[in-house]
Amino acid sequence: NAGVTQTPKFQVLKTGQSMTLQCAQDMNHEYMSWYRQDPGMGLRLIHYSVGAGITDQGEVPNGYNVSRSTTEDFPLRLLSAAPSQTSVYFCASSYSLTGRAANEKLFFGSGTQLSVL
Amino acid sequence: SQQGEEDPQALSIQEGENATMNCSYKTSINNLQWYRQNSGRGLVHLILIRSNEREKHSGRLRVTLDTSKKSSSLLITASRAADTASYFCATDGNDYKLSFGAGTTVTVRA
Repeated sequence: NAGVTQTPKFQVLKTGQSMTLQCAQDMNHEYMSWYRQDPGMGLRLIHYSVGAGITDQGEVPNGYNVSRSTTEDFPLRLLSAAPSQTSVYFCASSYSLTGRAANEKLFFGSGTQLSVL
Repeated sequence: SQQGEEDPQALSIQEGENATMNCSYKTSINNLQWYRQNSGRGLVHLILIRSNEREKHSGRLRVTLDTSKKSSSLLITASRAADTASYFCATDGNDYKLSFGAGTTVTVRA
């Protein structure tokens, strides 16, 4: 099993460009989420999904879109990149036996380091 | 806003010593988790303690939870160089939104 796979590992964008960060997991996890990590601020939740076809906003959703067409994939789209979106992005997943088990153990990808100039 | 806050921000210890870090949070929780992050890597789950538990052990890790004080502590005993990492607490408030603190950076000196 590969676990949670994120691509690309590094990306440089110009202000206003759009791009999609890819995230895939092969553990059949229902719950998937995106976090951004900035120095001194820990991880902040951007969007999450409790299953295919279901997404919801986290703490810092502005400027980002997500979709969940399959259980395996949870891409994060930046519609018009801004310097404030320079960060390290992590995708995470966890199993959900019932709705409440979704947050009991997150499996993280290795991250995407994004710079917006 | 962050739910959990770790203290201290940074910690430097000698190999073989114990490392203790604390986490305080603001609102009621279902559970509290601790994660480790090695430099340039993703986070790895270490241990989960539920709101009705007071102490939990896993290998060299010991976690306590005091819900009356809204605080938790993580103790790493007999530290090793491989324990050098950042440690984060995360709280689950029954809303699918796991909230992380800013972390404690631990350096273990040989």
